[in-house]
Amino acid sequence: DAKTTQPPSMDCAEGRAANLPCNHSTISGNEYVYWYRQIHSQGPQYIIHGLKNNETNEMASLIITEDRKSSTLILPHATLRDTAVYYCIVRYQAGTALIFGKGTTLSVSS
Amino acid sequence: GAVVSQHPSWVICKSGTSVKIECRSLDFQATTMFWYRQFPKQSLMLMATSNEGSKATYEQGVEKDKFLINHASLTLSTLTVTSAHPEDSSFYICSAHFTGLTGDEQYFGPGTRLTVT
Repeated sequence: DAKTTQPPSMDCAEGRAANLPCNHSTISGNEYVYWYRQIHSQGPQYIIHGLKNNETNEMASLIITEDRKSSTLILPHATLRDTAVYYCIVRYQAGTALIFGKGTTLSVSS
Repeated sequence: GAVVSQHPSWVICKSGTSVKIECRSLDFQATTMFWYRQFPKQSLMLMATSNEGSKATYEQGVEKDKFLINHASLTLSTLTVTSAHPEDSSFYICSAHFTGLTGDEQYFGPGTRLTVT
């Protein structure tokens, strides 16, 4: 699986959009980009995933660059409950384990 | 989303004893489940891949005789920490593979905090 690079930490004001970047410059054509988050002392929570096109669901939007070497997770209106560690993961084969890097610690403050 | 449960949520045991942690997929069948371990202020580390009806595949450095994994049904996998030592104290998290309408997804349990005294 390709490796990802994320900033170790980010801050965001409550109510503002949180834009979390991820670099995956060695991603291959059939690898998906997944985003999970982990709130303190809980199991990771699935957020969104995509291959080439931008994706949106009730939690977030995922913007993938045309060359697929980077992506951005957007939380449109961050709340205090969005404070968590956010993991960007690329995965090739269906059914294989997710391999976690260090992620980005997002702190949302009022 | 799909629900994965773990039991117990936390456990304290004495050195030398064994502890069993259960992972259940509540509303779907999971042919593959995964076990992770997480130490304080660190990321999740994959321990093993568990396939229903077959032996688990362990990651390098994980002792298979110490961390016994059983996946006897499509909704249940168990991790038994044998002869536990204080250094086994950690947050153990399972996950289950699920193919949904949006494709391949992996859902995680809430985790089990093990403290060995």
